[in-house]
Amino acid sequence: QKEVEQNSGPLSVPEGAIASLNCTYSDRGSQSFFWYRQYSGKSPELIMFIYSNGDKEDGRFTAQLNKASQYVSLLIRDSQPSDSATYLCAASYGGATNKLIFGTGTLLAVQP
Amino acid sequence: EAGVTQSPTHLIKTRGQQATLRCSPISGHTSVYWYQQALGLGLQFLLWYDEGEERNRGNFPPRFSGRQFPNYSSELNVNALELEDSALYLCASSNGWRGTENQPQHFGDGTRLSIL
Repeated sequence: QKEVEQNSGPLSVPEGAIASLNCTYSDRGSQSFFWYRQYSGKSPELIMFIYSNGDKEDGRFTAQLNKASQYVSLLIRDSQPSDSATYLCAASYGGATNKLIFGTGTLLAVQP
Repeated sequence: EAGVTQSPTHLIKTRGQQATLRCSPISGHTSVYWYQQALGLGLQFLLWYDEGEERNRGNFPPRFSGRQFPNYSSELNVNALELEDSALYLCASSNGWRGTENQPQHFGDGTRLSIL
């Protein structure tokens, strides 16, 4: 069974701090990794995607991938109260499989 | 650019009835995906359509089915509704797929299906 694991949280950080969200996956065949943000009662919104080992930065967000350790993380710099949401990690197994396996999400609470 | 649109927003049915949910992908996207998000559970993959063909199916019974039309819009049909089918049904689209690096999927606002 292919799985994606996340700590459900809540992860509480003060405004302006760095929030670090982590995710592990079980299948080494995973090729593509995605982070989505989901506000309560809303649909998931794509934040970042990463395919290769290393870091990928986009504004205040940095995605990190370590395929050897089967580990993906999302760093949010200068956290704002508006960042408070559930963050979903998803892995895709590539090619004709092309479905996303989602973790259950980490609830982030940014305290003003 | 318009995003993924889904209709209806809410749907209330009773056990045994049939439900039809609709999705229009982002313009230019050929792949449409359906996911179920039940209360307290994560998103579960249901179906993937690309170029009018069903490409992959999740671990759901056959009463969950769908199709993709020539304009790439899609329908999800759920027959013989059961109480546990109550969930948020999300449609996503992507710009096809290539090799091992899957194109990001963008989600619509969902249809909340309630079974009484």
